[in-house]
Amino acid sequence: GQSLEQPSEVTAVEGAIVQINCTYQTSGFYGLSWYQQHDGGAPTFLSYNALDGLEETGRFSSFLSRSDSYGYLLLQELQMKDSASYFCAVREGLNSGGYQKVTFGIGTKLQVIP
Amino acid sequence: DAGVIQSPRHEVTEMGQEVTLRCKPISGHDYLFWYRQTMMRGLELLIYFNNNVPIDDSGMPEDRFSAKMPNASFSTLKIQPSEPRDSAVYFCASSFQGSSTEAFFGQGTRLTVV
Repeated sequence: GQSLEQPSEVTAVEGAIVQINCTYQTSGFYGLSWYQQHDGGAPTFLSYNALDGLEETGRFSSFLSRSDSYGYLLLQELQMKDSASYFCAVREGLNSGGYQKVTFGIGTKLQVIP
Repeated sequence: DAGVIQSPRHEVTEMGQEVTLRCKPISGHDYLFWYRQTMMRGLELLIYFNNNVPIDDSGMPEDRFSAKMPNASFSTLKIQPSEPRDSAVYFCASSFQGSSTEAFFGQGTRLTVV
């Protein structure tokens, strides 16, 4: 089985930096993804970490520590349009067959205020 | 490619009726996932297919739920009979294991059972 934990809500000021943490418990771990979802929209992919370390994509960075079963999403220079829900998701495989599935956490609702 | 296409976008039905949700994945993708999203439970993985074969349906809540993928370009999720607690947004997503770690989501079907 698997479980993911992330904060339910975070509020941050425009222009600031915010970090959203995610811890997971799973078997057959392949990697950790982050998705953004605006109200009424579909989740969209932000980043994926398979190896330990930091991945940077513009204002967004994602970090993974496999030994700690922990990752985070870092959003810099926050903009009002970043107000959305952010999901961490584990890509994991079954013991046989090499099949992979993507399981999501409950999501963190980020509110950016002026 | 037009992306993952789901239909209908909205469905309102009476309790006890059969509901069929449809999904066309991105051409060439070998994985298809069905998710259900609610405020209380977040994004729940219901079932996923690899090369049209159901791999894991442990997330399907009850026998009232069934899913099929008769070919690589089409999948259905059926609820029979529907109940008010089935009201949620149902997402279909597809991915290609070989070269991509990203799951592409459709726009979802908002189901309301009254």
